[in-house]
Amino acid sequence: DQQVKQNSPSLSVQEGRISILNCDYTNSMFDYFLWYKKYPAEGPTFLISISSIKDKNEDGRFTVFLNKSAKHLSLHIVPSQPGDSAVYFCAASAYQAGTALIFGKGTTLSVSS
Amino acid sequence: ETGVTQSPTHLIKTRGQQVTLRCSSQSGHNTVSWYQQALGQGPQFIFQYYREEENGRGNFPPRFSGLQFPNYSSELNVNALELDDSALYLCASSLAIHRAFEETQYFGPGTRLLVL
Repeated sequence: DQQVKQNSPSLSVQEGRISILNCDYTNSMFDYFLWYKKYPAEGPTFLISISSIKDKNEDGRFTVFLNKSAKHLSLHIVPSQPGDSAVYFCAASAYQAGTALIFGKGTTLSVSS
Repeated sequence: ETGVTQSPTHLIKTRGQQVTLRCSSQSGHNTVSWYQQALGQGPQFIFQYYREEENGRGNFPPRFSGLQFPNYSSELNVNALELDDSALYLCASSLAIHRAFEETQYFGPGTRLLVL
């Protein structure tokens, strides 16, 4: 039973356009959400996070939106660059249950120039 | 770069053998978590160590065990290896102050284990 779902295995975007990566979750106890980026042969790199008390968090070209009622979050990358091409993982944690991160299966983003 | 290092980078073992993977945490981080990432999947939580004690465990059998040392380096041990144990093993470090755990974890590059 997957608690964190990334339903799009892949996404292709042109350089300069917006990339939108989506993530859904089922566990209402989750109170912290993170996005990681992973290149081949490297570990996941932390990108941006959001607490459940917020609905938006921005960091440069990256913005994460959280819709708690829909149990949905999204990562917006504007403008997309070829170097953004990687696998993006959504992760969630429920502090009351410890600090294990629960990951989705990932979305492979390809940005073409 | 996170400052989290892992060794070895690659490892080949045969079924039934035992393996030890090592992790060195980011400077100042006192909490380490281990994850298994199978091909095409997201990382799955194995367990977490804080102050040399296990602080939480995922759905993995007891043949997966760990250690954390006073210098915050850690080991993941897997006994009686099975073919399905073939995966990328990731460690992640984070900071806890008086058991208030920081949610963001910083990952190492991983150890790729192949069991034949």
